Amino acid sequence: GAVVSQHPSWVICKSGTSVKIECRSLDFQATTMFWYRQFPKQSLMLMATSNEGSKATYEQGVEKDKFLINHASLTLSTLTVTSAHPEDSSFYICSAHPQGGPSLVTDTQYFGPGTRLTVL
Amino acid sequence: QQPVQSPQAVILREGEDAVINCSSSKALYSVHWYRQKHGEAPVFLMILLKGGEQKGHEKISASFNEKKQQSSLYLTASQLSYSGTYFCGVLQGAQKLVFGQGTRLTINP
Repeated sequence: GAVVSQHPSWVICKSGTSVKIECRSLDFQATTMFWYRQFPKQSLMLMATSNEGSKATYEQGVEKDKFLINHASLTLSTLTVTSAHPEDSSFYICSAHPQGGPSLVTDTQYFGPGTRLTVL
Repeated sequence: QQPVQSPQAVILREGEDAVINCSSSKALYSVHWYRQKHGEAPVFLMILLKGGEQKGHEKISASFNEKKQQSSLYLTASQLSYSGTYFCGVLQGAQKLVFGQGTRLTINP
């Protein structure tokens, strides 16, 4: 249980283009999903909190018009990096907070495998 | 506020023990521990809840000192597979986790 997938696992794009990253909870429903970015050898920095059916909550300093988040269902959240620039290159990781499940720890988050974005 | 982890890095030989600490300046209600291998996503290890309840990994133990606002992760008889970066996370708000800067653990044969 508690499998979270991300697609794509890596992407290379040109500066100025938009990139969409999908995050899915495969075997559980998630009340809340989170988006993090991680630079090499650094910690995970929370970008935004995504709730199904409502607007995402962004952390201070994160541009909501640049990082668009859509939470279409209890198992899917998407992050779109609009007009990407080289400084947006990073490892983007999503996590999901389970709604419930027989073998899941519901008090914590389960992470997807991450998406490595490289903007040329 | 970000919790503070210590040490920043540890190098062990296989079979040795290690302790990783996580301290917070704010009151702790739960501490979440994850391990991340290079290029991969963090993997949930365990959660410690106020009151002493633990949930998670069977082979790794941890303690939670509410008074000291600190948690410690104990890795005993370390195996090569334990290598990676360990993060502690503390809750800010209902579900939002804030992570420490990480402790890099290297296990050599």
